[in-house]
Amino acid sequence: EVQLVQSGAEVKKPGESLKISCKGSGYSFTSYWIGWVRQMPGKGLEWMGIIYPGDSDTRYSPSFQGQVTISADKSISTAYLQWSSLKASDTAMYYCARIQAAAGLDAFDIWGQGTMVTVSS
Amino acid sequence: DIQMTQSPSTLSASVGDRVTITCRASQSISSWLAWYQQKPGKAPKLLIYKASSLESGVPSRFSGSGSGTEFTLTISSLQPDDFATYYCQQYNSALTFGGGTKVEIK
Repeated sequence: EVQLVQSGAEVKKPGESLKISCKGSGYSFTSYWIGWVRQMPGKGLEWMGIIYPGDSDTRYSPSFQGQVTISADKSISTAYLQWSSLKASDTAMYYCARIQAAAGLDAFDIWGQGTMVTVSS
Repeated sequence: DIQMTQSPSTLSASVGDRVTITCRASQSISSWLAWYQQKPGKAPKLLIYKASSLESGVPSRFSGSGSGTEFTLTISSLQPDDFATYYCQQYNSALTFGGGTKVEIK
């Protein structure tokens, strides 16, 4: 079964760092782009960035460039999203998702279950 | 950046109704458009890609049409399981989601 499994919910304080993960299985992890999507409480979906695990080529949405870092470790089929200094406004559900075409931009066909990040003092 | 505008933002309908949701792009995206369904507390689910291609396993009552800047998602006969929020997404240039359309019970 093709699936993405994300790490568990996090509760952090402002200024703390965080790295959440997304582990792929059931397919060739290095051959498909993985994206990260933010959903703030009660709001819509926002694309943050994508990474190609095969060579770690990464593209960021202008809205998130410099705010987060996306990485991948192909040896363990895992993509990451990290923050160096969290803010209360980072409180959201974060989803990873696979882009269905191996060649480039396309729809997200497989989604992780989501990781809820809560940032509060 | 390409902006995606969905309408309406909320739609009240009854079981059996034909429902249409519109998505407009700020510039032409050819047919590079997807539709997703999201239920509360769940991850989005891909319904339609390339504007009109039905994802495997998705009921045939869902259909998509359009090209260029205007697109529609149609549910031919609304079922109880279809009450959810629907999002469009363009992937012609980077990626952008529409603001969502919540389909509520009338």
